[in-house]
Amino acid sequence: TQLLEQSPQFLSIQEGENLTVYCNSSSVFSSLQWYRQEPGEGPVLLVTVVTGGEVKKLKRLTFQFGDARKDSSLHITAAQPGDTGLYLCAGASGGGADGLTFGKGTHLIIQP
Amino acid sequence: DTAVSQTPKYLVTQMGNDKSIKCEQNLGHDTMYWYKQDSKKFLKIMFSYNNKELIINETVPNRFSPKSPDKAHLNLHINSLELGDSAVYFCASSQVWSSYNSPLHFGNGTRLTVT
Repeated sequence: TQLLEQSPQFLSIQEGENLTVYCNSSSVFSSLQWYRQEPGEGPVLLVTVVTGGEVKKLKRLTFQFGDARKDSSLHITAAQPGDTGLYLCAGASGGGADGLTFGKGTHLIIQP
Repeated sequence: DTAVSQTPKYLVTQMGNDKSIKCEQNLGHDTMYWYKQDSKKFLKIMFSYNNKELIINETVPNRFSPKSPDKAHLNLHINSLELGDSAVYFCASSQVWSSYNSPLHFGNGTRLTVT
């Protein structure tokens, strides 16, 4: 069974601060996806990283896939209250037969 | 213009009852899924269908039975509901059956409460 560990589990910071969320595994993934979920809604895809060492930017969000494709990080610069939500990483092991393995999420609260 | 829609949004029922959750996607995707999110927000796959064919069937009690009448619909029927079935159930779809690089589009969930 492939596991994805996310840390921290909870994070509450002030508006304007920077933060990093981590997603780690002992398994290799073909790709890794990051989702954000807001209360009462389903997760929404933010980004997919595929190549080891890949870095993708989405405005103030920077996503990195580890060289060995076992871990990933999400860095938010100058966090805003609109960034509040549950951040989920999900790994794909290869073909669709295995589905996605989700981490347990990071609950992020940005206080104004 | 909702992409993945599931009904009902909330479902409160008593132990032992049978209930169904419906899901429809208008994205033209080939693959649909049911995920269960527990009280700690952990998302776990239950079933996956590709073009109406069952692809993934995780270790789920056989009280749960998915049905896909066509590739745009995937319903979930639950028999003899138990307290532990209380959770939020998410329907999702993806363009192709390989999850390697195909993102999931989720519905807004059905919060099931069994009393």
